[in-house]
Amino acid sequence: EADIYQTPRYLVIGTGKKITLECSQTMGHDKMYWYQQDPGMELHLIHYSYGVNSTEKGDLSSESTVSRIRTEHFPLTLESARPSHTSQYLCASRGQNNQPQHFGDGTRLSIL
Amino acid sequence: DAKTTQPPSMDCAEGRAANLPCNHSTISGNEYVYWYRQIHSQGPQYIIHGLKNNETNEMASLIITEDRKSSTLILPHATLRDTAVYYCIALSGGSYIPTFGRGTSLIVHP
Repeated sequence: EADIYQTPRYLVIGTGKKITLECSQTMGHDKMYWYQQDPGMELHLIHYSYGVNSTEKGDLSSESTVSRIRTEHFPLTLESARPSHTSQYLCASRGQNNQPQHFGDGTRLSIL
Repeated sequence: DAKTTQPPSMDCAEGRAANLPCNHSTISGNEYVYWYRQIHSQGPQYIIHGLKNNETNEMASLIITEDRKSSTLILPHATLRDTAVYYCIALSGGSYIPTFGRGTSLIVHP
């Protein structure tokens, strides 16, 4: 079973705060992804990375930013949280060739 | 990557086989078919994938038509815990961007 971890699992915080959502994987996967998902809705890709020092924006525009300084770590940051950022954020990684994606359990973010 | 089409919802009686279809008529020769499921608010869980041969693992079976334009995920003995949204994705090994659609909401009832 894949090992990919997201923290925190839940976060309730006030408007204007800086937030960092953590995602780590121990499988040495080069590709990593962030998706945003509202309840009952589709997953929307907001960021992805091919490897260290590589980051790209996904299909859904997001005010968040990401970094990839180490292979195993792909944090997502919101500089100033707003209620519109309330959602679930899912991190995933994928290895070489035809290997499937593996997902973390997600972070449920609520901005008051 | 090829677009996939799935019915929005299905239901199945507990203990019976659940057969979830997926259409991927524009799939190319190097694209695999992947199935995932998402239970309530958890992250999607990988189930199975295949290229052209039928595949089976401890969770499910994947049947791919000979022309590869459609596939069926089979849960041989559905349980209440199999109630989830099931996603079918066509993706090549070199593609970096898996895209999830709406999937099929499967409800297993007693």
